[in-house]
Amino acid sequence: EAQLAESGGGLVKPGGSLRLSCAASGFTFRGYSMNWVRQAPGKGLEWVSSISGSSSYIYYADSVKGRFTISRDNAKNSLYLQMNSLRAEDTAVYYCARDEVGVGNWFDPWGQGTLVTVSS
Amino acid sequence: EIVMTQSPATLSVSPGERATLSCRASQSVTSNLAWYRQKPGQAPRLLIYGASIRATGIPARFSGSGSGTEFTLTISSLQSQDFAVYYCQQYNNWPRTFGQGTKVEIK
Repeated sequence: EAQLAESGGGLVKPGGSLRLSCAASGFTFRGYSMNWVRQAPGKGLEWVSSISGSSSYIYYADSVKGRFTISRDNAKNSLYLQMNSLRAEDTAVYYCARDEVGVGNWFDPWGQGTLVTVSS
Repeated sequence: EIVMTQSPATLSVSPGERATLSCRASQSVTSNLAWYRQKPGQAPRLLIYGASIRATGIPARFSGSGSGTEFTLTISSLQSQDFAVYYCQQYNNWPRTFGQGTKVEIK
């Protein structure tokens, strides 16, 4: 069974940095594209970034472009999100999710999420 | 950016009744549309992709229809675990975008 587990969330001051990790298990990680999706408290879902299995294709939402960097280590079955210049509006639960087919298509499964709080 | 608009915002339904949720795209997404269910405190779960294809393990009471700009998710007989928030998502264009969600609550 495919499983994903995020880590690395926490409280950070505006302008600070944080690196999220997502550990994958139960499937051939390098064969799938991966994604980050976030959800601000009490709000809906917002797609953040996608990366192909070989890291050849990478996409970002405009709201994070230039500040966030998605990456992966297929040898470690891990996905990452480096978040710099954090703002209050980046406060959210961050989920990693697998693509079943292609890049940034439908997401299944999802991890349980990790909370990032940006506040002074 | 394609804007996804879901209606209604809240739907009150009795257990065992049918629920019909709508999702409209600001431009055509052909059949590149997915539906998710999110229970309180949990991560979303994929229900439907390709507008009408049930994901693995999803019961037959869930059905999706539509193409282009108008889509519908129907839950034929609501079970207790179906009272949740439902999101549609298009994957035809970048950036990928979600609707704002429809909350299905117990009547």
